[in-house]
Amino acid sequence: DAKTTQPNSMESNEEEPVHLPCNHSTISGTDYIHWYRQLPSQGPEYVIHGLTSNVNNRMASLAIAEDRKSSTLILHRATLRDAAVYYCILRSYNFNKFYFGSGTKLNVKP
Amino acid sequence: DTGVSQNPRHKITKRGQNVTFRCDPISEHNRLYWYRQTLGQGPEFLTYFQNEAQLEKSRLLSDRFSAERPKGSFSTLEIQRTEQGDSAMYLCASSLDEGGYTFGSGTRLTVV
Repeated sequence: DAKTTQPNSMESNEEEPVHLPCNHSTISGTDYIHWYRQLPSQGPEYVIHGLTSNVNNRMASLAIAEDRKSSTLILHRATLRDAAVYYCILRSYNFNKFYFGSGTKLNVKP
Repeated sequence: DTGVSQNPRHKITKRGQNVTFRCDPISEHNRLYWYRQTLGQGPEFLTYFQNEAQLEKSRLLSDRFSAERPKGSFSTLEIQRTEQGDSAMYLCASSLDEGGYTFGSGTRLTVV
């Protein structure tokens, strides 16, 4: 399984943007980059995914480096409800499982 | 559809007892996954079903663990002769083919 590297923790102030980095230097050409987040006492929930181009949805934006060896999840205005563990995951075309890693624990200060 | 449902939410059992967890996936989803998550770690893959067929099992799934998905609907995960090391959150997820996962809220198992 292709692995990702994320910082263990990050901190942000409420209503400010947050940039969560992820390195995936061994990514293959058919791997999609997925982000999930896990709120306390909940299962992980889908945030966003992309292949090559930057992506936007109502929850976040995903910026993918040109060489695809890294990506950044952008929360445009962090709220207290965004405090969670964020997982960056590579998903191969013919996948049947995710490798989660330890993720980044985001703390949002009021 | 209310999403992926897991029961029970919490289970406390004595070492050596057998436990069974249930997962009801989103009804139109043909794939179902079980993951295990210990404190401070990300979820780890256990096993995967496509319809009723169990297509992959992790090495984490020892012979004390068994999972079934009769008729390709709900799934059960049974742990026999529980050990303290089995204490974890057991997560179920479902998807439609290679679509995105939807996870349940998990069953937290504590073995005392």
